[in-house]
Amino acid sequence: GAVVSQHPSRVICKSGTSVKIECRSLDFQATTMFWYRQFPKQSLMLMATSNEGSKATYEQGVEKDKFLINHASLTLSTLTVTSAHPEDSSFYICSATVQDRANYGYTFGSGTRLTVV
Amino acid sequence: GNSVTQMEGPVTLSEEAFLTINCTYTATGYPSLFWYVQYPGEGLQLLLKATKADDKGSNKGFEATYRKETTSFHLEKGSVQVSDSAVYFCALTPTDSWGKLQFGAGTQVVVTP
Repeated sequence: GAVVSQHPSRVICKSGTSVKIECRSLDFQATTMFWYRQFPKQSLMLMATSNEGSKATYEQGVEKDKFLINHASLTLSTLTVTSAHPEDSSFYICSATVQDRANYGYTFGSGTRLTVV
Repeated sequence: GNSVTQMEGPVTLSEEAFLTINCTYTATGYPSLFWYVQYPGEGLQLLLKATKADDKGSNKGFEATYRKETTSFHLEKGSVQVSDSAVYFCALTPTDSWGKLQFGAGTQVVVTP
């Protein structure tokens, strides 16, 4: 079945530094990837939609200069949290899909727990 | 706009009890409906889905039927196990925004031996 690998699973960084999170589709080509953020005991909030070879589409209220998304290939999307601050601490989850909803649906990575100290 | 409402948790059950988690939605057209499960510290796993009215999704003993007349997609399992303890999310993807999942708030289920 479709597998999405997300790395790292946990990261602790100092305030003001940048952190990169990778999302890879291992056995299929993902034309579209999605990045979500989840606060403790809350639901997932879509941050942005990433299409291979084009600029990401950000949801309202998400700072595109702070959360840089790159989808350079059909198997890799990255989310970079720039100049991280403690309020950016959260659980970030990516999802990958192909334009064939009957087959793969939406496969999620295992998530990245970001802690900014 | 589109929205998903699911019952608040936590839901605490004894092993082998019957589980129901209510989910209702608001959307235009004919959205696809999903149930995802999240185990502690992990990402989301697709549990089941239904893409049109009256479809029944099923997996691992869980079932949900797409009811357009009541705009509902309630999750049920006849006999839960301790290993079913997790957070369950109901979600939809609209027909006009394929791929963008709209999630409910999640329902935590705790199954005790």
